[in-house]
Amino acid sequence: AQSVTQLGSHVSVSEGALVLLRCNYSSSVPPYLFWYVQYPNQGLQLLLKYTSAATLVKGINGFEAEFKKSETSFHLTKPSAHMSDAAEYFCAVILPGSGNLIFGKGTKLSVKP
Amino acid sequence: KAGVTQTPRYLIKTRGQQVTLSCSPISGHRSVSWYQQTPGQGLQFLFEYFSETQRNKGNFPGRFSGRQFSNSRSEMNVSTLELGDSALYLCASSLASGGTDTQYFGPGTRLTVL
Repeated sequence: AQSVTQLGSHVSVSEGALVLLRCNYSSSVPPYLFWYVQYPNQGLQLLLKYTSAATLVKGINGFEAEFKKSETSFHLTKPSAHMSDAAEYFCAVILPGSGNLIFGKGTKLSVKP
Repeated sequence: KAGVTQTPRYLIKTRGQQVTLSCSPISGHRSVSWYQQTPGQGLQFLFEYFSETQRNKGNFPGRFSGRQFSNSRSEMNVSTLELGDSALYLCASSLASGGTDTQYFGPGTRLTVL
């Protein structure tokens, strides 16, 4: 069975600082991995996805994530945080063909001026 | 291209009632998936429809059901509402079934059960 663990339900960074949101997954077969962002009272927006091509995936808004099979991790990073990055971020995994996106519990990112 | 739309955006019902939520996918998308989001359980997959057929199903009781029409629009129905059904219900559309295609989410319907 697949599962996703996001370390840290809340992360706070200063504007301009590095953003690192951690995600570890469990899957019996090579999964597809996703990062989504959710702003208050809105749906989810895809930041990036890993589909077994390049291990370093670049997404929107300057975010990127690296798939590390040996560590079963898919951490999300951004070199310099902006105030507009404050939101909740979800890591998700899917077994191809299952149709069931399994989400982590989410990490709320706060950005201090 | 217009995004995924969900109606209504907010709904208040009482226990025991039933409710129907609607989702219109992005034009050309044939797969619609439904998710429930609660503070306690997080985001959980309900079911996926593709070409009017339920392709995948999550672990929810039979009170939760859905259907998809020939124009790919989908409805989700919850019968005999319980307090615990209060949640944000999100639908997502994609080109193909199975989840490997990017899923585009709507803004959600917030259901409150009193």
